[in-house]
Amino acid sequence: DQQVKQNSPSLSVQEGRISILNCDYTNSMFDYFLWYKKYPAEGPTFLISISSIKDKNEDGRFTVFLNKSAKHLSLHIVPSQPGDSAVYFCAALGNTDKLIFGTGTRLQVFP
Amino acid sequence: GAVVSQHPSWVICKSGTSVKIECRSLDFQATTMFWYRQFPKQSLMLMATSNEGSKATYEQGVEKDKFLINHASLTLSTLTVTSAHPEDSSFYICSALTPADNSPLHFGNGTRLTVT
Repeated sequence: DQQVKQNSPSLSVQEGRISILNCDYTNSMFDYFLWYKKYPAEGPTFLISISSIKDKNEDGRFTVFLNKSAKHLSLHIVPSQPGDSAVYFCAALGNTDKLIFGTGTRLQVFP
Repeated sequence: GAVVSQHPSWVICKSGTSVKIECRSLDFQATTMFWYRQFPKQSLMLMATSNEGSKATYEQGVEKDKFLINHASLTLSTLTVTSAHPEDSSFYICSALTPADNSPLHFGNGTRLTVT
């Protein structure tokens, strides 16, 4: 049972445009959400997070939105750059220290 | 920032042999480390939680006798894949909690294991 879902396996965006990556979760006990970026053959690197008490968190070009009622979060990257091309994982934390990852979305930013 | 070092970055071994992967926290003490496995084009699957000085907690479906985890010190956790088989070929990643902030977790760069 996949508790964290990223329904789009891939996304292609032109450089300079906005990239929107989506993530849905099923467990209402999750109270902290994170986005990671991952290049091939490397470990994930942390991008941005959001607590369930907020609905938006912004850090430079990255903004994460959380809709608790819909159990949905999204990562916005604007403007998108070719170096943003990677696989993006959303992850959730509940009352344990265990991160539950989504299946990832491969973002490709083309010139 | 917190650094997690994982070694080796890649390893090739023959079926039936054992392989040890190390995960070190370089500039902090990690009482808890996690081991993940990633199959191609799939999510990161948590295998086990490693607590310093105690037995690891394995996720459902993970064979503890096959994937031996030792967290003998506050800066080192090891994962040993015993009697490796080709189906164990995968990308293994460790992560560690820092004392100061429980999240985000800090990840090692991963180890690609190929069993021939």
